Amino acid sequence: EADIYQTPRYLVIGTGKKITLECSQTMGHDKMYWYQQDPGMELHLIHYSYGVNSTEKGDLSSESTVSRIRTEHFPLTLESARPSHTSQYLCASSDYASSYGYTFGSGTRLTVV
Amino acid sequence: GENVEQHPSTLSVQEGDSAVIKCTYSDSASNYFPWYKQELGKRPQLIIDIRSNVGEKKDQRIAVTLNKTAKHFSLHITETQPEDSAVYFCAAILNNNDMRFGAGTRLTVKP
Repeated sequence: EADIYQTPRYLVIGTGKKITLECSQTMGHDKMYWYQQDPGMELHLIHYSYGVNSTEKGDLSSESTVSRIRTEHFPLTLESARPSHTSQYLCASSDYASSYGYTFGSGTRLTVV
Repeated sequence: GENVEQHPSTLSVQEGDSAVIKCTYSDSASNYFPWYKQELGKRPQLIIDIRSNVGEKKDQRIAVTLNKTAKHFSLHITETQPEDSAVYFCAAILNNNDMRFGAGTRLTVKP
């Protein structure tokens, strides 16, 4: 089924660890996004990509980085996790050409201890 | 850049009553206005949308209205049920397909 998938669903790690949150979509969408969201709160755009080899920073300052080597894959990396990074991370994608709506992944709930 | 303001931030209604959430946007070039519902612990999901060439759209108990002149749009839920309890996000999208979200409204429907 065409969808957007995020792994892991939950992650608890220690301070200082490097982590990568995975996001893959099978819809052939050009644009992909990462949002940070505390449960039930505002969605904050942290990174986005318009296509392969395109990455941009969003509105919320973030210590994370992203890459877009393949259309379907948009991983988010934290080089050194801190307790302030504890949050939910949502990946989304959209079709640049014909569709306006975003499809969201199920999210990764990150806890840094 | 585009700003989307959403009100109220929390809304509590009695089951069976109506709920209205309002949003305003700043960029007159915005042409698409989706609404997302996010239940506890789940992903935001599109529930209804409206394009700038339409003033109102209805889907069973939910409806969205758009006033382009005033640059505001609203979500209306009638005959609310406990399963309508969730956080609702409005959004506005520009021609380049970039979307701006409102801050969200936490709706609680009391049985």
